[in-house]
Amino acid sequence: DTEVTQTPKHLVMGMTNKKSLKCEQHMGHRAMYWYKQKAKKPPELMFVYSYEKLSINESVPSRFSPECPNSSLLNLHLHALQPEDSALYLCASSQVMPRDDSLDYEQYFGPGTRLTVT
Amino acid sequence: AQSVAQPEDQVNVAEGNPLTVKCTYSVSGNPYLFWYVQYPNRGLQFLLKYITGDNLVKGSYGFEAEFNKSQTSFHLKKPSALVSDSALYFCAVRAAAGTGFQKLVFGTGTRLLVSP
Repeated sequence: DTEVTQTPKHLVMGMTNKKSLKCEQHMGHRAMYWYKQKAKKPPELMFVYSYEKLSINESVPSRFSPECPNSSLLNLHLHALQPEDSALYLCASSQVMPRDDSLDYEQYFGPGTRLTVT
Repeated sequence: AQSVAQPEDQVNVAEGNPLTVKCTYSVSGNPYLFWYVQYPNRGLQFLLKYITGDNLVKGSYGFEAEFNKSQTSFHLKKPSALVSDSALYFCAVRAAAGTGFQKLVFGTGTRLLVSP
């Protein structure tokens, strides 16, 4: 199974709502990623989890709160978002790289959640 | 800082003709380079990567890429384009080494349009 699943596929929320995005993989990957992609732009890294611990936060506003409850699941909790946060949110996973950089592994992406903030 | 550039917003090619999507890179140290493809309303799919070794890298769906150190390029190629190859293509470079995970920096993307 080389699939990364994301739910929901589409989400419309008001600026005062609280919602969560979910991501799941069963490939045994211990690195998981959240990206934000605006229309016709490349994905921008938001967060990286390695062995269920937050390794990178790319200066993302606190209205985005990631959570990695176990090695297969990754959540992104949303609260008090702004209209400019409307985007495609992509989850990805990969094997963890050895620290000597002797190997590298590709990331597997989910189909994304299309978020609209009204 | 590691970066990649994709100079073409769009590439048009007729079905059956060879295609090239260009990418140049700027890195300190060894380059770790990738190509991903994105179909409409979908996530990204890995095509191929260059870490070390042969300059010609073969990947999925008949794609290949040529690593050229002197020209700092990593162009994506396919000998015969299919209409189904029409998609958005991203070149990427690994930005952080020795961290155990993969931080990628993507180029701006090139839309490939293959006409019948």
